[in-house]
Order: sequence, then structure tokens, then C-alpha cells
Amino acid sequence: QVQLQESGPGLVKPSQTLSLTCIVSGGSISSGSCYWNWIRQPAGKGLEWIGRMYSSGSTSYNPSLKSRVAISVETSKNQFSLNLSSVTAADTAVYYCARGCCTDGICTFDYWGQGTLVTVSS
Amino acid sequence: SYELTQPLSVSVALGQTARVNCGGNNIGSKNVHWYQQKPGQAPVLVIYRGDKRPSGLPERFSGSNSGNTATLTISGAQAGDEADYYCQVWDSSTVVFGGGTKLTVL
Repeated sequence: QVQLQESGPGLVKPSQTLSLTCIVSGGSISSGSCYWNWIRQPAGKGLEWIGRMYSSGSTSYNPSLKSRVAISVETSKNQFSLNLSSVTAADTAVYYCARGCCTDGICTFDYWGQGTLVTVSS
Repeated sequence: SYELTQPLSVSVALGQTARVNCGGNNIGSKNVHWYQQKPGQAPVLVIYRGDKRPSGLPERFSGSNSGNTATLTISGAQAGDEADYYCQVWDSSTVVFGGGTKLTVL
């Protein structure tokens, strides 16, 4: 059973960089047909995809966040990370890490972390 | 950028059929996935590729997708189906979620 667990500061000051890590257990982050995502959800609002990375290093980001986002993978530690720079109060949200896997070209999110609340405030 | 439109809320009487729509330009040409999210929990996939159910999901959940509308149908709605439902597609290598629909079972 694959499990994902987010970790990182729950409070970040405005203009600083939000950094989160997702530790993957029960499966290899190097799985060829899977990719690793960050998704966020402000309180009472919908889901927003932030971006994804394959273990090969290729990335894809939400165009609305692309200038501030970086996702990286550490295959030796079976984990991946999110850096979101120049944060404002609008970045306050529950942040989820999720695995996406593809079968016959159809890609879905099959495992999610429990989510971690990050508040941006001075 | 591609947009998906969902009603904010849908209500259904216990045991009746609920339908949650997801609108998008020519969405019928895309693979649509549906996620269920209960309060305080991460989303769970309930329908993929428009009308496929993951193993273990009740047959009460079904989906369709044609033209500009995809629909999630829940037959014989139960109290435990009360949740937020999100449609999702891929567009130009990016993920797009609908705004979500709160399903209330009366």
C-alpha cells in the first residue's frame, strides 16, 4: 500500500518561500509510469493543481503559478519537494501531495497524502 | 486556459438518483475523472475515463461524457455519499479541476 506524507512549516511569512516535502512509502518514486504532484485547497474552496514531476526530472506546472514554483525529486530518499516563492495570504491552503499514474495513456491521481495546512501570515 | 464549470450544490433525497454535471468546451473529447472529497479528508477517485469505476467502488456510481457536459450519476444515494465532488481533465499537459459540487443527501 503506497502512502504519502507531507511535512513542513505550518506558518510562513509573506514574501518568503514555502517549502514542503512529501515522503513516499510502500512504493518506489522511480516507478516509470507514475508522476508526483502537489495540489492545494484554500479553506472552503476547490482543488488547485500546482504541478508535477516525473522521477526523470521533467516537470509541468500550473501556468498561474509557474513563475513561483519549483518541484524536485530526491529518488535516494524516496521523496519529493515543493518550493513556492514570494508567498502572500492567497497562498494559505491545505497542501496535498499526490501520486498520478497512467494506464493506456489515462492518468489519474490514485494516492494522496492527508494534507498539511500552511498559513501565510506575519 | 481550459475551464470546467460545476454547480455549487446539488441536493438529492435519500435513495434517489443524483446527477452532478461538469461543463467544458467539447469536454466529450477528453478523458474526465471524478473525485469525491469528504470533510477533512483527501479526495478519492470514483470515476475515471468518463465512465469507469475503480475496483471496489459501488455500482451506484456511474459516469457519462458527451458534447460539452460530463455527468456523474449516483443511483440510490446514501447518507455516506454526501461530499464534495470534483471533475478533472488534462489540458495541454496541465491538470484542470472543476470548482466542485457539494452533494447534500436529504
